[in-house]
Amino acid sequence: KAGVTQTPRYLIKTRGQQVTLSCSPISGHRSVSWYQQTPGQGLQFLFEYFSETQRNKGNFPGRFSGRQFSNSRSEMNVSTLELGDSALYLCASSPGGGGNTEAFFGQGTRLTVV
Amino acid sequence: AQSVTQLDSQVPVFEEAPVELRCNYSSSVSVYLFWYVQYPNQGLQLLLKYLSGSTLVKGINGFEAEFNKSQTSFHLRKPSVHISDTAEYFCAVLFRPGGSTLGRLYFGRGTQLTVWP
Repeated sequence: KAGVTQTPRYLIKTRGQQVTLSCSPISGHRSVSWYQQTPGQGLQFLFEYFSETQRNKGNFPGRFSGRQFSNSRSEMNVSTLELGDSALYLCASSPGGGGNTEAFFGQGTRLTVV
Repeated sequence: AQSVTQLDSQVPVFEEAPVELRCNYSSSVSVYLFWYVQYPNQGLQLLLKYLSGSTLVKGINGFEAEFNKSQTSFHLRKPSVHISDTAEYFCAVLFRPGGSTLGRLYFGRGTQLTVWP
């Protein structure tokens, strides 16, 4: 069974640009979450999606948005990039449904903003 | 409120020695606790989890952790480490607000374990 796939693995963008990151969950998984990892702030929750609906959102500005498609694949978008957005962005998938507690993480997308 | 404190940012240890990585948590609701490992330029891999039941939890790669409710701790241990255990280790608590299917993980700041030959 393939794991969580995130594309691209590495990305370099310029301040002010926007970026879209993609996440394909494990087959059959319907819940997708996103996390940002930086040396300064550590691992922080961005959002959680299930059945194309955002279920939970972290404390990030509106420049950070996401969506989930009917096949459970998810994208996150960051507009008007700032230097501080440089980070490893991790996607995690889980089966969804009651009693679910385990998240399976992808390898991440390393975003560098210059 | 949920939070996790990892008491040591770096733990150096010699190969075949025992190791303990410390984690304290704060949670206002049911406690689900996790340890994850991250190798350089990789994502997070689950080592073990505590949901309920036995307070001693065994995980992969010979790791185990003990849940202590009175001390609000969930320390990770391994009796004999290998060079390949060199990585960053994260303790996390899961919070499941209403409407969530998984919830959100609150992570500690991580402990870098370095195993020397």
